Amino acid sequence: EDKVVQSPLSLVVHEGDTVTLNCSYEVTNFRSLLWYKQEKKAPTFLFMLTSSGIEKKSGRLSSILDKKELSSILNITATQTGDSAIYLCAFCSGGSNYKLTFGKGTLLTVNP
Amino acid sequence: GAGVSQTPSNKVTEKGKYVELRCDPISGHTALYWYRQSLGQGPEFLIYFQGTGAADDSGLPNDRFFAVRPEGSVSTLKIQRTERGDSAVYLCASSLIGQGADGYTFGSGTRLTVV
Repeated sequence: EDKVVQSPLSLVVHEGDTVTLNCSYEVTNFRSLLWYKQEKKAPTFLFMLTSSGIEKKSGRLSSILDKKELSSILNITATQTGDSAIYLCAFCSGGSNYKLTFGKGTLLTVNP
Repeated sequence: GAGVSQTPSNKVTEKGKYVELRCDPISGHTALYWYRQSLGQGPEFLIYFQGTGAADDSGLPNDRFFAVRPEGSVSTLKIQRTERGDSAVYLCASSLIGQGADGYTFGSGTRLTVV
């Protein structure tokens, strides 16, 4: 059965720290891996990683896909209190580019 | 509209009752998705609409759950004979047809509590 595991489940840091969130997956016929930030209820898209795009960066956030290790990391540098949220990892597999299988998420709390 | 709108934002119902949850997608988005997020879990796929038809309903957990999108815009998720285990946040997303999951825009969800 396809699955995705995120670690840690929760993390508390101070403003200015750098954090690394982990996502490992077991999936037949991998297509893409996506990261979302969820504040309150609506997840917002951060990155999509595929075989042809294994590293993405936007401001203080970056993500890498390791297809050999079947994993991905999300890095956040110089964290701010506004980064506090649940970070969700998800994949698409097979013939579907729309159907997401999510992990449980990592709850990040950034204290001032 | 500017975003995906879901109503109501919160719904409390008694076990055994029928509920309807509404999703109003972004104007022009012909693809619409429903997900369910239980406490402490990631969202789980329920159903995908292309226009008016359900292209993939493989995630609906049982026949108490049904969704419609009669005019290819607003969608309603219907749950019959609700159970306490149905308590969750129900998320709707929309996208342009042919876009992948990176094109999703999620709504803020409906928190359903079955007591």
